[in-house]
Amino acid sequence: DSGVTQTPKHLITATGQRVTLRCSPRSGDLSVYWYQQSLDQGLQFLIQYYNGEERAKGNILERFSAQQFPDLHSELNLSSLELGDSALYFCASSVVDRGEQYFGPGTRLTVT
Amino acid sequence: DAKTTQPTSMDCAEGRAANLPCNHSTISGNEYVYWYRQIHSQGPQYIIHGLKNNETNEMASLIITEDRKSSTLILPHATLRDTAVYYCIVKGTGFQKLVFGTGTRLLVSP
Repeated sequence: DSGVTQTPKHLITATGQRVTLRCSPRSGDLSVYWYQQSLDQGLQFLIQYYNGEERAKGNILERFSAQQFPDLHSELNLSSLELGDSALYFCASSVVDRGEQYFGPGTRLTVT
Repeated sequence: DAKTTQPTSMDCAEGRAANLPCNHSTISGNEYVYWYRQIHSQGPQYIIHGLKNNETNEMASLIITEDRKSSTLILPHATLRDTAVYYCIVKGTGFQKLVFGTGTRLLVSP
């Protein structure tokens, strides 16, 4: 158990819909990272927040957005969903910006 | 971030040492070598990292060559639960993303 929690575990929704994935970091960790893992793309970094502020952006689509709240939990919002957005979405956290990131169990999103 | 090269797959007998190599010939002086693993569809798990010196923790040992162009992750007594994809990642300090390549798929067999 990494100490990072993600909800929900599974999500099935239709194309065009909007969903919100939630992540609670390990106690004391200020940085939160979001990653997407699909069959054909592997693990891809999406975005990083540090203490409420966006710090780094990866291959995140404009239809996706994220935020980190004062209690340090983070949400990833995915809108206008397409079939290709079906993937595992992982959240990770670290104390500050460290390579030792601790990953949650992921949310499996299926878009039908 | 420097690119890494790993074998696509490796096999290991249960109880034997698993030695997973990684080449990172373009690594810079301030870049660390990190190892993660991912057991089927679970979140990646941090294993170990190092800069120059060899490192050991309860999970594994990391051997980095003197020129730092390659490294080896050693699982001293592999178990069936060590079957996973192992990722070698080179990362500098500061706000930089982890870049996961395709990794090495390690299969530990009885």
